[in-house]
Amino acid sequence: QTVVTQEPSLSVSPGGTVTLTCGLSSGSVSTNNYPSWYQQTPGRAPRTLLYSTNIRSSGVPDRFSGSIVGNKAALTITGAQADDESVYYCMLYVGRGISVFGGGTKLTVL
Amino acid sequence: QVQLVQSGAEVKKPGASVKVSCKASGYTLANYYMHWVRQAPGQGLEWMGIVNPSGGTTSSPDKFQGRVTMTWDTSTSIVYMELSSLRFEDTAVYYCSRSFQNGMDVWGQGTTVTVSS
Repeated sequence: QTVVTQEPSLSVSPGGTVTLTCGLSSGSVSTNNYPSWYQQTPGRAPRTLLYSTNIRSSGVPDRFSGSIVGNKAALTITGAQADDESVYYCMLYVGRGISVFGGGTKLTVL
Repeated sequence: QVQLVQSGAEVKKPGASVKVSCKASGYTLANYYMHWVRQAPGQGLEWMGIVNPSGGTTSSPDKFQGRVTMTWDTSTSIVYMELSSLRFEDTAVYYCSRSFQNGMDVWGQGTTVTVSS
């Protein structure tokens, strides 16, 4: 069973930069896993931030960026703002039509 | 604009089935795959499967094999997800989401399904 790993929680200061990562329990993440990232606040549907590693969804500011760093996918938030405080999920395509979400990272801006 | 509107909340007994609908507007249903995702109370997102409204193919993880059925009606632009043999742990918010570049771009508003005796 494939497990997608994320940091359970992270914090960042307002105006600071933070990187969230997304890994695989077995092996390295590559662009062939089409990493995508989603932001969710309580009681709301998720909002798509990025797909295919680094393509921003419509309306997403360019302070959200995606990459592959080492053997993981990464979401970097530059110039963090108070309303970035959310839970962030990554999703990876693991083959044979199957995708898997990570457990989510709760980001605190303080 | 592209929009996905889901059916309303459901309360079901254990062992029953539930069928959630997702009506697409602003684009041609057959041109995009559709994902189904759920979120149990206080938990993370869980990918349930994907359906191709054009080719008819579906994929879902082993966990849901035999219990989830994804169908569609291109004449009404509606995609359906039916989950059978409901258990208490199937209580969750269920989302449809349009597939784009192996991710998701547009999301439905969610449908709350409560399994209660």
